[in-house]
Amino acid sequence: GENVEQHPSTLSVQEGDSAVIKCTYSDSASNYFPWYKQELGKGPQLIIDIRSNVGEKKDQRIAVTLNKTAKHFSLHITETQPEDSAVYFCAAPGAGSYQLTFGKGTKLSVIP
Amino acid sequence: ETGVTQTPRHLVMGMTNKKSLKCEQHLGHNAMYWYKQSAKKPLELMFVYSLEERVENNSVPSRFSPECPNSSHLFLHLHTLQPEDSALYLCASSPGTADYEQYFGPGTRLTVT
Repeated sequence: GENVEQHPSTLSVQEGDSAVIKCTYSDSASNYFPWYKQELGKGPQLIIDIRSNVGEKKDQRIAVTLNKTAKHFSLHITETQPEDSAVYFCAAPGAGSYQLTFGKGTKLSVIP
Repeated sequence: ETGVTQTPRHLVMGMTNKKSLKCEQHLGHNAMYWYKQSAKKPLELMFVYSLEERVENNSVPSRFSPECPNSSHLFLHLHTLQPEDSALYLCASSPGTADYEQYFGPGTRLTVT
């Protein structure tokens, strides 16, 4: 099955700085890579995703990059704001599976 | 209501109780999922339903019993749980099982005493 590793587990940045969270996956057939944001007391919210036919996708201050050769993908948040503070999860599907395998999460703290 | 809703939001139950968690999705999706989220562990998929038919059961103990009466509603029936079952139980839906975009509800925080 798919194995997803996520780093770092915690990340603190000053407001206005950039934050980068990285994930690696094991199944080379995986073709969809979402990122979720989970705020305290809420369920995970899909914030951006990328499919294997592109290398980068942007949505305002967030972007995701994918390197299929190296089997890793990253979330980039620019101009961070206090409301970006949350736990972020990456995920990837295994081939022939309904399942998304999730990383263990990164707790991002944006310091005002 | 929009999106995915879950009730109750919090539940405390004894090990001999029987309770049920409810999930409803208002997105017109055909697939629904139950996940368990414990502290310091990745999200664990428990069950997958597609058009009311269970298509995946990830070796979940029989004290958890899912039910999907229609494509909008999903239940998780609980009985004789253990303290280690205390966790956040999340429901999600997607357009279909081949569509990986999953949308989550807010979860039910379960405490087993």
